[in-house]
Amino acid sequence: EPEVTQTPSHQVTQMGQEVILRCVPISNHLYFYWYRQILGQKVEFLVSFYNNEISEKSEIFDDQFSVERPDGSNFTLKIRSTKLEDSAMYFCASSLDRGGVAEAFFGQGTRLTVV
Amino acid sequence: EDKVVQSPLSLVVHEGDTVTLNCSYEVTNFRSLLWYKQEKKAPTFLFMLTSSGIEKKSGRLSSILDKKELFSILNITATQTGDSAVYLCDVDQTGANNLFFGTGTRLTVIP
Repeated sequence: EPEVTQTPSHQVTQMGQEVILRCVPISNHLYFYWYRQILGQKVEFLVSFYNNEISEKSEIFDDQFSVERPDGSNFTLKIRSTKLEDSAMYFCASSLDRGGVAEAFFGQGTRLTVV
Repeated sequence: EDKVVQSPLSLVVHEGDTVTLNCSYEVTNFRSLLWYKQEKKAPTFLFMLTSSGIEKKSGRLSSILDKKELFSILNITATQTGDSAVYLCDVDQTGANNLFFGTGTRLTVIP
């Protein structure tokens, strides 16, 4: 069964460092998303991406964040200068379409710990 | 302000019990409501509901949507310890490119 894969599963980084979280969406999917979940809190939308550009982003997704699809398979989230409050589980998701009834498939997440 | 509210926040039941989880919403341009199960990590998809009054079933799980009263319920019958998880309700909006999650209901099933 096709699945969304994320690497690494856990990353610990020092405050101020840049991190890149990697995701390989399902191969025929066209829409890609990043979400985060701070421990004990709800899942929060960060950004959606379609046709090689951001289609929507939340208030959380400020200038410290960027996304990229550098080749035909990877979808990355970069945090330029990490802060303690960036510690969270980051989920990548992909879906086949947004024009009709479709569900997003989630990866297993990357746990980011900023110290 | 758009919101999705789930209740209860937490529930502890014994194996074999039946549970009903609630999700109410107030969102603009409602398109569909989705239920997810989140165990240790990523949410996994359970149901998508777009029409009122049509029950969706998968084994011991079922769900129904009421678009007039703006809520959905997720029923789990004959609960098992493997049903222990956080159940997330999410609303999909027309014209929006993201999913809008509720806070979740943490279900714990004890033997």
